[in-house]
Amino acid sequence: GNSVTQMEGPVTLSEEAFLTINCTYTATGYPSLFWYVQYPGEGLQLLLKATKADDKGSNKGFEATYRKETTSFHLEKGSVQVSDSAVYFCALSNSGYSTLTFGKGTMLLVSP
Amino acid sequence: DGGITQSPKYLFRKEGQNVTLSCEQNLNHDAMYWYRQDPGQGLRLIYYSQIVNDFQKGDIAEGYSVSREKKESFPLTVTSAQKNPTAFYLCASSMEGTGRYFGPGTRLTVT
Repeated sequence: GNSVTQMEGPVTLSEEAFLTINCTYTATGYPSLFWYVQYPGEGLQLLLKATKADDKGSNKGFEATYRKETTSFHLEKGSVQVSDSAVYFCALSNSGYSTLTFGKGTMLLVSP
Repeated sequence: DGGITQSPKYLFRKEGQNVTLSCEQNLNHDAMYWYRQDPGQGLRLIYYSQIVNDFQKGDIAEGYSVSREKKESFPLTVTSAQKNPTAFYLCASSMEGTGRYFGPGTRLTVT
């Protein structure tokens, strides 16, 4: 079956540091890949997505590239801000309305 | 603005009582979903519905029930049979091929 593995947190960084949150997956076929962000006490927001190999999703300075050869979708940002402190979830979905498989989430804490 | 609303944000109930969580969307999405979130466990799917009057069990459906009488609405009932109901509940919706759009969540506490 499908599964998503994320690096465990918390990830603690100083403002303006470089961010990488690792995500690898196991899936049949050619899934779509997503990153969601959850701020404290709120629901999840779609941050970015990629639907096929070598696609790069980007939004708000965050990027992730769909690497089929390494089954990875690592999240990166060149310079984090305190406001980026949140929990980040990697997820995958096969086509149609099939269920979305989430990783366990990685908490990011950014200090001034 | 289009979006998903969940009410209330916080809900308190006594053990043994059924409780219904509301979820409404005005995005004209066909599919709706209920997830449960516990600390350190990510999100787990409770039920989902791809079309009005039809729904399927997710990974942890025991102790929960849903209905889908209207496209816009997908209420979740947490029954007294659910052994550990205290959690953060998230509703979501989607069109085919898109990611999920999530509501703000309802935090249920059962004592």
